[in-house]
Amino acid sequence: DGGITQSPKYLFRKEGQNVTLSCEQNLNHDAMYWYRQDPGQGLRLIYYSQIVNDFQKGDIAEGYSVSREKKESFPLTVTSAQKNPTAFYLCASGSLDTDTQYFGPGTRLTVL
Amino acid sequence: AQSVTQPDIHITVSEGASLELRCNYSYGATPYLFWYVQSPGQGLQLLLKYFSGDTLVQGIKGFEAEFKRSQSSFNLRKPSVHWSDAAEYFCAVGVNDYKLSFGAGTTVTVRA
Repeated sequence: DGGITQSPKYLFRKEGQNVTLSCEQNLNHDAMYWYRQDPGQGLRLIYYSQIVNDFQKGDIAEGYSVSREKKESFPLTVTSAQKNPTAFYLCASGSLDTDTQYFGPGTRLTVL
Repeated sequence: AQSVTQPDIHITVSEGASLELRCNYSYGATPYLFWYVQSPGQGLQLLLKYFSGDTLVQGIKGFEAEFKRSQSSFNLRKPSVHWSDAAEYFCAVGVNDYKLSFGAGTTVTVRA
């Protein structure tokens, strides 16, 4: 069953803690993306990767970090430096030739 | 930089009535164009996409969209709305740089 999986679906974190969100895809896509979604603001790009061991900052990368050690996986770490981390986080993957992106189910992060 | 505008934040439509969601973009060349739908707490699902050719594009769930170059628009339509179409809809633009720009979204409410 092909697709994109994100885990966990809900995540709670205390202030000052780092937390890692998982994203895995078995669609053999080269590109992977992380977005943040806040009410009324649409999607904002955090980081993206076009190839293993390489990634680029998006529009709101401060306070986040990523790695791309495998084609299938693109974990996102929300660090304590992120001032307002409570949000819905969406992972996507896609083909490089058409810009088409396919999305995972999302992770809702709440900072307590 | 390209931008995407969805002028309507919220639309209410009666079940069985027609629906049209507006999308305008700003970019010099013809971009790739997409419509996604998101149910509450879920990821985004691709409804349809336009790359080139026929300017009327058919998608899933009975949706279609028309690309109008002269108006820089890519409006989404459905002839007869079902209660299950209540969701948030996002227009997105790609310019073959491996990223998408998203509009802020339009929330559709369906009344019985």
